[in-house]
Amino acid sequence: ETGVTQTPRHLVMGMTNKKSLKCEQHLGHNAMYWYKQSAKKPLELMFVYNFKEQTENNSVPSRFSPECPNSSHLFLHLHTLQPEDSALYLCASSQKGATQNTGELFFGEGSRLTVL
Amino acid sequence: AQSVTQPDIHITVSEGASLELRCNYSYGATPYLFWYVQSPGQGLQLLLKYFSGDTLVQGIKGFEAEFKRSQSSFNLRKPSVHWSDAAEYFCAVFGGATNKLIFGTGTLLAVQP
Repeated sequence: ETGVTQTPRHLVMGMTNKKSLKCEQHLGHNAMYWYKQSAKKPLELMFVYNFKEQTENNSVPSRFSPECPNSSHLFLHLHTLQPEDSALYLCASSQKGATQNTGELFFGEGSRLTVL
Repeated sequence: AQSVTQPDIHITVSEGASLELRCNYSYGATPYLFWYVQSPGQGLQLLLKYFSGDTLVQGIKGFEAEFKRSQSSFNLRKPSVHWSDAAEYFCAVFGGATNKLIFGTGTLLAVQP
């Protein structure tokens, strides 16, 4: 069992659909992150949760809505997305809380999203 | 502001040849530095990290990296590349002031038989 598990691995949705991405970490970490990875662009940090509290929203459009019910689970709710939102969405966790971080992140395998 | 530059977008080496992937960073103090690898369809896996101390760090899969403060570099090396090393490699820098891990744009490594 990998440390950080993301589901689904692949998702195709229309612009009017509502879907969710799920991330679960089995490492006992305190901080969780959503990153967006698009072709030919650096990884973009979207959201950070520290002990279940959102500590960073990196100017992400409101059509992306994160939820962190506990330190082990992180969701990304998607609605009325645009084709340019198609990307690989990566979840990560870190051992220390995000305010005491050393930067070492543990990543899931990602959810490949295609918006038609 | 922190930044990371990986000047080589794509590199091709022959199997068994040596490898060096370049990484330059911009940061006022001594940063924490990382190399991650991403195989096709996979997430990012930590190869190695530098926090302090010995400037030559060893990682998994036979990789090493050397921190050179004078050159603001943290280049990744491997003496003999294997076909399974074909992947994308990301350098990253973390600085406490911003509390963010900043990634480079990555270097895609192809390995020829």
